[in-house]
Amino acid sequence: GENVEQHPSTLSVQEGDSAVIKCTYSDSASNYFPWYKQELGKRPQLIIDIRSNVGEKKDQRIAVTLNKTAKHFSLHITETQPEDSAVYFCAASGLVTGGGNKLTFGTGTQLKVEL
Amino acid sequence: GAVVSQHPSRVICKSGTSVKIECRSLDFQATTMFWYRQFPKQSLMLMATSNEGSKATYEQGVEKDKFLINHASLTLSTLTVTSAHPEDSSFYICSARGTGDSPLHFGNGTRLTVT
Repeated sequence: GENVEQHPSTLSVQEGDSAVIKCTYSDSASNYFPWYKQELGKRPQLIIDIRSNVGEKKDQRIAVTLNKTAKHFSLHITETQPEDSAVYFCAASGLVTGGGNKLTFGTGTQLKVEL
Repeated sequence: GAVVSQHPSRVICKSGTSVKIECRSLDFQATTMFWYRQFPKQSLMLMATSNEGSKATYEQGVEKDKFLINHASLTLSTLTVTSAHPEDSSFYICSARGTGDSPLHFGNGTRLTVT
């Protein structure tokens, strides 16, 4: 099955700096890569996702890059703000109609944005 | 957007009792729902895939007789933790994906404490 590795496990940045979180996956058949933000005690919230037919996607301060050859993808947050502090999870799955493919999650990154 | 409702949000039960958690897709039909478990400061671990009208598919190491899953309709899946023990205390989260290539949406999660 799929195995997703994520690093770093913790990341501390100064407000306004950029943060980068990296993930690798093992199953070359995976073609869908979402990123989730989870605040303490709450549900994971989808912040951005990318499919294997593109190499980069951007949404305001958040961007994701995908290298299918190397089987790794990264989350980039620019101009970080204190409210960006949370745990971020990457995930990977195949993507078929009907929603039947399961997501495998990375181990998470605790991001702390300091004033 | 797609909404997944899960309840109860918190439950405390005694060892040996059973607890049922409900997961509903409110504005879409979900032939497949997923149940995850998350221990403190850890990632989301898939327990099982719930399939409407058929048996659930359990991940390796998850006891199907202990974690009973029923997906009785296209909008409801239930997870019953039977004969609960303190080590079953965890955060249980359900998720569902609509049709096509829509993203995975999570319920609010259930914090189970077994005393």
